[in-house]
Amino acid sequence: EVQLVESGGGLVQPGGSLRLSCSASGFIFSNYAMNWVRQAPGKGLEYVSTIGTYGSPTYYADSLKGRFSISRDNSKNTLYLQMSSLRPEDTALYYCVQGGGSYGLFWGQGTLVTVSS
Amino acid sequence: QSALTQPASVSGSPGQSITISCTGTSSDVGRYNLVSWYQQHPGKAPKLMIYEVSKRPSGVSNRFSGSKSGNTASLTVSGLQTADEADYYCSSYTSSSTWVFGGGTKLTVL
Repeated sequence: EVQLVESGGGLVQPGGSLRLSCSASGFIFSNYAMNWVRQAPGKGLEYVSTIGTYGSPTYYADSLKGRFSISRDNSKNTLYLQMSSLRPEDTALYYCVQGGGSYGLFWGQGTLVTVSS
Repeated sequence: QSALTQPASVSGSPGQSITISCTGTSSDVGRYNLVSWYQQHPGKAPKLMIYEVSKRPSGVSNRFSGSKSGNTASLTVSGLQTADEADYYCSSYTSSSTWVFGGGTKLTVL
């Protein structure tokens, strides 16, 4: 059974940094591109980033380039999202999503990031 | 990358059919047959219902179907059931190798 478990969310002040993790199991992690998608409270889904099977290529939503960085450790079956210069509008539930190409077949339950003073 | 355009809400009665539209541009929906649809119940993670315009993942009911014409994709739900009441999001692969989502459509089963 595929499992994606996100962690690392929490309350952070504007301008701060946070690193999210996603622990994967139930599939061969290194065979799949991985993604982050977020959802602000009461709002729709928003694409964040994609990473290829061995760490490249990487892609980001235009609005996030330069502030967010996606990475992975295939030896630990773990996906990461390093977020810096956080803004209140980054407040959202961040989902880890398995899937290369054009769609996400498996989604985690998300980790909540709240940016507030 | 601008969000794809979906109606905010649609509704139907049990047993009826509804269609949700998803309009993009020639850089996303119109360029690739890589549109997907997700169902999201309150407090739950999204669930993939349709991928590559019209393909259904294993376990998804054949009451759900997808199509595309030009820059607009559509999701049709036939034989509406109360369990279908949820938010639905379309998504497309883009020319930047990223994804773009629609704003979401709330389906109400009356």
